[in-house]
Amino acid sequence: DIQMTQSPSSLSASVGDRVTITCRASQRISNYLNWYQQKPGQAPRLLIYTVSSLQSGVPSRFSGSGSGTEFTLTISSLQPEDFATYYCQQSYNTRTFGQGTKVEIK
Amino acid sequence: EVQLVQSGAEVKKPGESLKISCKGSGYSFTSYWIGWVRQMPGKGLEWMGIIYPGDSDTRYSPSFQGQVTISADKSISTAYLQWSSLKASDTAMYYCARSRGSYWYFDYWGQGTLVTVSS
Repeated sequence: DIQMTQSPSSLSASVGDRVTITCRASQRISNYLNWYQQKPGQAPRLLIYTVSSLQSGVPSRFSGSGSGTEFTLTISSLQPEDFATYYCQQSYNTRTFGQGTKVEIK
Repeated sequence: EVQLVQSGAEVKKPGESLKISCKGSGYSFTSYWIGWVRQMPGKGLEWMGIIYPGDSDTRYSPSFQGQVTISADKSISTAYLQWSSLKASDTAMYYCARSRGSYWYFDYWGQGTLVTVSS
């Protein structure tokens, strides 16, 4: 199985901060990399698919980049509604998720 | 409007069987894959498996192969996840989600079904 490792596991940030979350795959996964946001008590929500494509309705402050085995999710200016847990997912095979990154209020 | 509506919370005893459902609406149910994702209490997301209701092609994660069965009834636009003998470790929230299949991301999600297995 392809292992997905996110870093950090958690972070504290303030409204307006630029936040970057990294996801590393245990082998090359081409552009089969997606990002989801999950708030407590809610289902996950697709933010970014195929590395950098923004899902309809997702604010443009979210962006994705990367290639090969290393990928990043960036929130350009953190908003109050962005405090949540973020998961990367590889969909190259078996479709595994990273362990999650919890973004908390500083 | 695309919607995936899941069946309600379940409380079961170890050894019992269970089948939970996920009904799709607002799109062509037979043209998209439906996947299932487990989230154990306080933990992350785990991809379990996926089915194409158009022809019932089903794929399982190795971790869940043989532990659960995924099926679909396209006549009523509903996918299912079932267990033949539940264990306490099956206690979790289970989500269904839709995928186009080409890049296998999930663009719409159900609200989740909480399964509690306790003696």
